[in-house]
Amino acid sequence: DVKVTQSSRYLVKRTGEKVFLECVQDMDHENMFWYRQDPGLGLRLIYFSYDVKMKEKGDIPEGYSVSREKKERFSLILESASTNQTSMYLCASSLAGGGYGELFFGEGSRLTVL
Amino acid sequence: GDSVTQMEGPVTLSEEAFLTINCTYTATGYPSLFWYVQYPGEGLQLLLKATKADDKGSNKGFEATYRKETTSFHLEKGSVQVSDSAVYFCALSHQGAQKLVFGQGTRLTINP
Repeated sequence: DVKVTQSSRYLVKRTGEKVFLECVQDMDHENMFWYRQDPGLGLRLIYFSYDVKMKEKGDIPEGYSVSREKKERFSLILESASTNQTSMYLCASSLAGGGYGELFFGEGSRLTVL
Repeated sequence: GDSVTQMEGPVTLSEEAFLTINCTYTATGYPSLFWYVQYPGEGLQLLLKATKADDKGSNKGFEATYRKETTSFHLEKGSVQVSDSAVYFCALSHQGAQKLVFGQGTRLTINP
């Protein structure tokens, strides 16, 4: 079975802390994505990567950075967490070229920033 | 830019009722269209898709038809079950594009 694993299901952090969200996929997919999910806003793309060490900004990259040192792993970094970054974060992966749009998602990481 | 608009939720129905969740889109060219479903406590998973006008996607009793003239991709099911309770997302992408654009999601609750 294909799998995207996010390291933490629930995190609670304080304002100003540095936060790492880790994502690993076992499908040898080239593309990986980080979305945030907020009620009434759906999913918004933060960053995506189409190859190791490659990254592109999505629609809402401000306040975030990413790292992809290995093909299977894509990390989202909040350099200095703020309360407006409290959200559900979803990692996804897909084959190169986007295929027919099938993204495989992890279960999500719910982050609360106090 | 591209956008997807879904009907406001939440939607609450009784078991065996007929379901429609409306989805319209704004995009240049000929995007591919998708419905994703998120069951409680889980990530999203692809429910069905259509890649060209008049195509019908179907899966698990759900159907949606790609209507270019009305820029719509409404999700339907003839008889819903309690296990269909979930959040449903409509989405689009341009073929070969690396990313999807999602609607805001519609929460569906089915009561026994």
